[in-house]
This record gives sequence, structure tokens and C-alpha cells, in this order.
Amino acid sequence: EAQVTQNPRYLITVTGKKLTVTCSQNMNHEYMSWYRQDPGLGLRQIYYSMNVEVTDKGDVPEGYKVSRKEKRNFPLILESPSPNQTSLYFCASSPATGLNQPQHFGDGTRLSIL
Amino acid sequence: GESVGLHLPTLSVQEGDNSIINCAYSNSASDYFIWYKQESGKGPQFIIDIRSNMDKRQGQRVTVLLNKTVKHLSLQIAATQPGDSAVYFCAENMSGTASKLTFGTGTRLQVTL
Repeated sequence: EAQVTQNPRYLITVTGKKLTVTCSQNMNHEYMSWYRQDPGLGLRQIYYSMNVEVTDKGDVPEGYKVSRKEKRNFPLILESPSPNQTSLYFCASSPATGLNQPQHFGDGTRLSIL
Repeated sequence: GESVGLHLPTLSVQEGDNSIINCAYSNSASDYFIWYKQESGKGPQFIIDIRSNMDKRQGQRVTVLLNKTVKHLSLQIAATQPGDSAVYFCAENMSGTASKLTFGTGTRLQVTL
């Protein structure tokens, strides 16, 4: 089944403790992206990647890192999480960049930073 | 994701009626638009898309209308069913911007029996 898989689905942690949220897609998509979703603000893009070893900042990149060493994986790294990063996070992928293609989303990761 | 929907406008529709969800987009240069459906605890799910060279596109029970003059997008759902209850987002994209989507804040659709 074609899908975007995120892990963990839920995480409660403390300020300053590094964490990684993994994202994997099995559709051989070039483009991958991370979003956060907050009440009243909708989905906001954190980082995106057009292909392996190519990453760029989205609208709200502060406090986050990403890497794209393989086509299928696009982990989101919070080196020193803070309470304002408590949010619902989504990873997405699409077949191509520059062309009009809908993005496919994972089921989300709910992070709580205490 | 129930908490995501706390501040959303809500549309209540009776089962079997048609639903119309509206969206105003911001960028006149946007040329690709998508509607997503998000059910509780799940990620956004693609419903239908439309390119700016069209003003209407139909899918199964859904129709998207695009009015570029007033930068308005609407999603029509025919014969609304309980399974249509969800939050609906429109998203806009500008060609050449590496598939970057800008999302609206969403509308919650509640289907009453």
C-alpha cells in the first residue's frame, strides 16, 4: 500500500532533550516536506526537500533540522525542543517538483514539549 | 487532531443535502489549487485539484469551482454523507515554487442525521 509513515505518532518529552521524528514514503517520490499544524494557523511548512541531499527552509524553520540522505526518508530533528514546538506535525511527499502534483500526507505526530 | 479544529468555522449540513465549502485564496499568481479532507487523528487526504486554466472540475460526488477574478475557490459535495464529516482545507500553489503549498485554515463540516 502506498503510504507516508511517521514515527512516533505521539511523544511527550521535556525541554532540551533532542528528538527525531522519522518519515518514510514507499512511492519513490522526489519531493518531501514537513508541516506543523496549530489551531487557527492551519498547516505551515517547516522544511522541504526536492530530492536526495537537497533541502530548503519553509515558512517556519527555526528550531528544526532535516536531512535527506535517502530518497524514501526525511527525518525531522529537534535539537533542543522548546514548549512552543508543541504541535501536530505532518510529513508529506509528492512525485515531482515544479509540476502540479498533490502531496500525500502521513497520519501525523503529536509532540508535547513540557 | 481534535484540538486543531477548535477555532474553525463550522458548516452543518443534513445528510443527503449538498454542501458548499468556500475558500478565499491570497496569491493572484497561484495557478494550482487542491482540496484536502482531514478526519480526526489522520493526515490531510487529497480530494480534488484544479488548475488555473479551468473554472470547474468534477470528481465523484465532488465539484471544485474556481473564480480567479475574485480569488475564490469552492468545494461542492453532493448528497452529503456522515462519512464526509471532517475538516476541509483548500491549498494554493504557484508553479515553479517547488510544490510549496499554502493552506487555508480550514472549515469543519458536520453532517447531521
